[in-house]
Amino acid sequence: NAGVTQTPKFRVLKTGQSMTLLCAQDMNHEYMYWYRQDPGMGLRLIHYSVGEGTTAKGEVPDGYNVSRLKKQNFLLGLESAAPSQTSVYFCASSYFDRMEAFFGQGTRLTVV
Amino acid sequence: TQLLEQSPQFLSIQEGENLTVYCNSSSVFSSLQWYRQEPGEGPVLLVTVVTGGEVKKLKRLTFQFGDARKDSSLHITAAQPGDTGLYLCAENVYNQGGKLIFGQGTELSVKP
Repeated sequence: NAGVTQTPKFRVLKTGQSMTLLCAQDMNHEYMYWYRQDPGMGLRLIHYSVGEGTTAKGEVPDGYNVSRLKKQNFLLGLESAAPSQTSVYFCASSYFDRMEAFFGQGTRLTVV
Repeated sequence: TQLLEQSPQFLSIQEGENLTVYCNSSSVFSSLQWYRQEPGEGPVLLVTVVTGGEVKKLKRLTFQFGDARKDSSLHITAAQPGDTGLYLCAENVYNQGGKLIFGQGTELSVKP
């Protein structure tokens, strides 16, 4: 029972490089989320999706793009990485509004 | 902008002590969730509260939802080292379906 799987788990980027983080869920959930976690700041919502083909901005969307072409996948892209994007990124999914969110194991990204 | 304020940010106590963590909002909650996160892992749901004045118990953890649905608390009785972790409150923002935001968290350390 995989749940929410994030790929990769660790990555080091140089400033200006691009990359895509992949989130996959096998629970047929409608809602998916991308968060970043920095010390002392909890989880901050980057982008979210309420269904296949839809995306919306969260609290800190600048510098990131997302796509939800398939219901089970939610991709987070960094077009030109900056040191300020060094963080731990978490993906989550839930069946519907106000229901339990299930999280992946996180991706630790360092931008040098 | 909806804000979730958690206090205290850090808490270090001895095994057997009691503690309370608070979560407050600038607006009325539609519903509130409490999560616990251990190092290197994603958050895991503890409880969801929906109704003003609601009290839920989970073993030694007691969750209260304020009558006006603008605040919530988590009380731990006789804390144990296994309770150590980051406690986060989260809210599905009212009238913004699917937008799940988190407070900054309370980092709890319980020493034997």
